[in-house]
Amino acid sequence: GEDVEQSLFLSVREGDSSVINCTYTDSSSTYLYWYKQEPGAGLQLLTYIFSNMDMKQDQRLTVLLNKKDKHLSLRIADTQTGDSAIYFCADFTGGGNKLTFGTGTQLKVEL
Amino acid sequence: DAMVIQNPRYQVTQFGKPVTLSCSQTLNHNVMYWYQQKSSQAPKLLFHYYDKDFNNEADTPDNFQSRRPNTSFCFLDIRSPGLGDAAMYLCATSSEGSGYEQYFGPGTRLTVT
Repeated sequence: GEDVEQSLFLSVREGDSSVINCTYTDSSSTYLYWYKQEPGAGLQLLTYIFSNMDMKQDQRLTVLLNKKDKHLSLRIADTQTGDSAIYFCADFTGGGNKLTFGTGTQLKVEL
Repeated sequence: DAMVIQNPRYQVTQFGKPVTLSCSQTLNHNVMYWYQQKSSQAPKLLFHYYDKDFNNEADTPDNFQSRRPNTSFCFLDIRSPGLGDAAMYLCATSSEGSGYEQYFGPGTRLTVT
């Protein structure tokens, strides 16, 4: 079945850029998403990219998609302490109206 | 504001005692999902409704049931909760017209004693 992988932890200093990486296996993915989850809360949709795009920028967030390598990344510019959370990538293939989530990356922002 | 609401936010139940979790939405989305999320894990899809059509995941235990009486509401029933069912339960909605993005509620934290 579909597999979505992420590194478990990332630690950055406040003001630096963060890059969270994700790899997936299903070549028929149509949409790829980034969600943020703060402790004890639900998932907040941050941004998404359609599979025919290479890049999408939304304020401090930049999403890069390498469809050939099935690699997705989320860059957060000028990372703040409020960005500390778990970040999940997810992909949607259209069949079954389902998302497949990655394992989540815990981002820690240090002063 | 349009949103996904889950009640209660925290639920404590006893081993084997049936419990119902509630989700409502004001987004008028036609698809509603229930996920189970255990500590430090990704959300795991239990089932979803596409309009009135119920879609169960193959590995969802029979202990978990769901009801969707109308577009706005969806319930998760756990018939005989075990200690292993303690988790965060997340409800989400989506619509074809919104690009299939799923909007999540804040979750219900279930504790089984």
